[in-house]
Order: sequence, then C-alpha cells, then structure tokens
Amino acid sequence: EIVMTQSPATLSVSPGERATLSCRASQSIDSNLAWYQQKPGQAPRLLIYGASTRATGIPARFSGSGSGTEFTLTISSLQSEDFAVYYCQHYNNWPVTFGGGTKVEIK
Amino acid sequence: EVQLVESGGGLVQPGGSLRLSCAASGFTFSNYWMHWVRQAPGKGLVWVSRINIAGSDTGYADSVKGRFTISRDNAKNTVYLQMNSLRPEDTAVYFCVRDGIVGLTVFDYWGQGTLVTVSS
Repeated sequence: EIVMTQSPATLSVSPGERATLSCRASQSIDSNLAWYQQKPGQAPRLLIYGASTRATGIPARFSGSGSGTEFTLTISSLQSEDFAVYYCQHYNNWPVTFGGGTKVEIK
Repeated sequence: EVQLVESGGGLVQPGGSLRLSCAASGFTFSNYWMHWVRQAPGKGLVWVSRINIAGSDTGYADSVKGRFTISRDNAKNTVYLQMNSLRPEDTAVYFCVRDGIVGLTVFDYWGQGTLVTVSS
C-alpha cells in the first residue's frame, strides 16, 4: 500500500497570501494524484486531478504540480472560503489512499 | 444536477449489521463506477470499497474484506454497502462517491455522508 504524507499538518495564512501544501508518496505514482478540499461538516470537493488539472468549476487560484513522489498544491491568493482541510489522494494502483490532510487556517 | 443521497446509518452494537444505500440522480448511473469512502470522527479519508458498472467487479480495503459487501441496482440508480460483523473501529461517516473521470479513480461527486456508530 502506498503511503501518502502531507505537510504541514496545519498552515496558518493571512487572507490574500499564498499557501503551499505538500504531499509525498512512499513510491512513484507518476502523475496519478488528486487534491480535495473539505470544509467542516461537508463532503470533500475535488479540486485537482492528474496532479495539475483543475476539476470543473475550480478557480484558477488553485494549482497543482509535481510528479513521481513529490507534489504541491498552491493557492495563489487565499480567499475566506479557502480555509479548510486539504487532502491528497493517489490512484496509481489499489488500494487508493489519502494523505492525512493539511488544515489551512486563518493567521 | 448530480446528487448522491446516502441512508441507512445509525447506532449498532459490535457484531451487528447495517445496510447503507446511496440513491443517485442527475446522471446516467449505469455509466459510472461507484465507491464508498469513510471518515472516522476527526480523522482523515479512507477508501472502503468499489464496484464497476455492471456490478461484476468489486474491491475492498483489507480492513473490511470479508465483512462488507458492495452491490448496485442500475434499474434503481442505487449502490449499497452491506456491513456485517461491525466493530467499534468501523465508526465513521460513510460517503457514497462517484468515480467520474474516465480511466482514473478520481472522486468527482460525493454524497453528504451517513454516520455509522458501532458501540454497546
């Protein structure tokens, strides 16, 4: 099973600033990575797949990069609605697994 | 509008059983693989089970293999998760999820979740 490790666990950012979230896979997953956003009491929402392709309706301030074992989600200018928990997920093989999440909180 | 509505959660004693249902609407259900993903209180996301379009190919996380069974009824646009021999560690919100990007196991639509609590 591939282990996904996200860092940091918590990221404190001021509105308007850039946020950079990291996700590392325990072995190469090519570009088979997705990112999700989850707000309290809500279901997750797909943001990015293929490591860098934005899902339908996702604002351009969200961008993903990386391949192999190292990946990054960047939020270029944090809006109030972006404070949430973010999860990465690989789909390179079975079972698909998620990272432990990064909570982006208001600084 | 795509909608996934779960039901069937609740409080059950260890060793008991529950059957979750997920009613889908707003898309051609029979064209999509479906999954269940769970989230224990305050914890992260864990994939539980998958089923292909015809219902002929299923898969399970090791933690539930032999205890949970996924199935679907394409005529009713519904996917099910039969959960037997439940354990306290199965306590979680269970999300029904659509596998929406062709050829990729990427979850593009999620239900609101149904809470399963296993406790005596």
